[in-house]
Amino acid sequence: DQQVKQNSPSLSVQEGRISILNCDYTNSMFDYFLWYKKYPAEGPTFLISISSIKDKNEDGRFTVFLNKSAKHLSLHIVPSQPGDSAVYFCAAKTSYDKVIFGPGTSLSVIP
Amino acid sequence: EAGVAQSPRYKIIEKRQSVAFWCNPISGHATLYWYQQILGQGPKLLIQFQNNGVVDDSQLPKDRFSAERLKGVDSTLKIQPAKLEDSAVYLCASSTGETQYFGPGTRLLVL
Repeated sequence: DQQVKQNSPSLSVQEGRISILNCDYTNSMFDYFLWYKKYPAEGPTFLISISSIKDKNEDGRFTVFLNKSAKHLSLHIVPSQPGDSAVYFCAAKTSYDKVIFGPGTSLSVIP
Repeated sequence: EAGVAQSPRYKIIEKRQSVAFWCNPISGHATLYWYQQILGQGPKLLIQFQNNGVVDDSQLPKDRFSAERLKGVDSTLKIQPAKLEDSAVYLCASSTGETQYFGPGTRLLVL
């Protein structure tokens, strides 16, 4: 039972354009959401998070949007840079339980 | 600040053999996690420690996997005996709050 879904295994975007990575979840009790970025042969690194009391959080080129009614969140990267090429994991948790990771989306930013 | 250290980085063993992984978390981080990441999937929590006590080991296959965190700092994860399906990257992470900091992982191949 996959509680966190990332339905696009891969995404290619031109440098300078916007990258939009999508994530859907099934557990309405999730109240905290995170995005992690992973380069090959390295562990995931934290990118940005959002609490369920907000619908948007911004950090530089990265913005996360949360639509609770649709159980959907998205990560926007603008402008995209070649160094953003990596696997992006969406993750979610409740206040009392473990973090659940999605399967990841591999982003390629083409120079 | 030093990150999460893991060793070895790579390990190849035959099925039914034993293997152990080591993790040194970020100094001062009370919470330590072991994750299993199978190719094409997101990390799955195996066990979570708070200091040297187990908080969650509900997804740890206890017939073959064991983990300990003596003195509340370093941790070891052991598999005995290994099966083919244990081939994965084993990630260690530590945290003081919501954000987890991951080590580079140990890539295990069981032949």
